[in-house]
Parts: sequence; C-alpha cells; structure tokens
Amino acid sequence: GAGVSQTPSNKVTEKGKYVELRCDPISGHTALYWYRQSLGQGPEFLIYFQGTGAADDSGLPNDRFFAVRPEGSVSTLKIQRTERGDSAVYLCASSFLTGRQETQYFGPGTRLLVL
Amino acid sequence: GNSVTQMEGPVTLSEEAFLTINCTYTATGYPSLFWYVQYPGEGLQLLLKATKADDKGSNKGFEATYRKETTSFHLEKGSVQVSDSAVYFCALSSETSGSRLTFGEGTQLTVNP
Repeated sequence: GAGVSQTPSNKVTEKGKYVELRCDPISGHTALYWYRQSLGQGPEFLIYFQGTGAADDSGLPNDRFFAVRPEGSVSTLKIQRTERGDSAVYLCASSFLTGRQETQYFGPGTRLLVL
Repeated sequence: GNSVTQMEGPVTLSEEAFLTINCTYTATGYPSLFWYVQYPGEGLQLLLKATKADDKGSNKGFEATYRKETTSFHLEKGSVQVSDSAVYFCALSSETSGSRLTFGEGTQLTVNP
C-alpha cells in the first residue's frame, strides 16, 4: 500500500519568506508526527497530532512554526519569516494509534534550504 | 529528560564481518526501544523494536536485546553485506514522553566488498 508522502521533496526559499510543507499519512493512521533533521544529526521532534488536534507541540522551536491537520488526514507545517537556521530535512511520520509501543512510519522528507 | 547515545561513527567493515553498534539510553518509566535505518536516498525505516525488558527484536539478520540493567539496546549482525551500508538510528519512546520518539545521532555504516 501507499506509504507516507511529503511534498515538495525539495524547497529553496529566501530568508524572510513563508513556506508550507505538506504531509499525506498512511490511510487510516490516526496519529501524525513532524520531526526536523539537521545534517549529521538524528531527527528531533516538533509536534504530533491525534486526529485533528495537536496533542503535543512542545518541540516547535518558536512561534514562527505552526502546523495544522484540519480533517484528521493531511497535515501542513507552516514556517513564517524563514531564517537560514531553519534549513534542514523535515520529516513526517504516521502511526495507526498513539502510544510508546506504536511503530511510526516515515515519509521521505522535505529538504528545506533557506538562502 | 529522555536521551539516546550511540557509538560514534562512521563504521567501516568488510563484507561478512560482525557488526555491533552500541546504544544506551536515559529515560523515565519503561521506554520502548527502536532501531531505524536510513538507506542512501531513502526515508527512515523501522528495522526492529522491543517494548519491554529482556525482549529481543530481530529483522533481516539484525538483533538487539533490551537490557534494562545496563540501559542498553545494542544492534548486532553476525555477517554484514554491502547492502547493509546505511545510517542506523537508535530511538526510544517512553510513557512520560507520550508518543514522541527521541533519537540518537545516528551511526554511518559502510560495508566494503
């Protein structure tokens, strides 16, 4: 079956611009997660959704970052006034349920470069 | 808070060599432990997991045992192949952290023919 998909695969933008990154989770998965991976590092948690609501957004670095999942399926990560330090690979994952035992399935990521 | 420490890479081995990648963790409560693999040009894939102490996860010839007494989850494979070349990430999810995964920094493995 189809896995987690993310668009675009690459995004180049200028400092100060606004960007949106999209994630399509596996059909039927109730939980959706966003992580950020800097070069040579492991992924770092940003936010996760259970259904339409953000269950934990404690990983968002500041108020320039915002994410939505209005219908409980597709999610969009929004970054305002981008900075060069936002350059990273943004990963989306989904799982059927939430909980520490659940397996998260990852998408290929969106590589964001802020010039 | 939760943290995961992996052995520093990169690791370079010859084909058929024995592999160990060390992983230790700090967590409150009783975490679940995971190994994810990232092949060149691909996304993160779950390799194996263990959800309670003394459990052994295994897949594709890889194994890891959840050792609570040493807070470790070392990854092993008896005979590596060139196709095992990838970056390996150890991760945990604990009761107190909800569903979020905490990852180690990753270990780059290169297997030469």
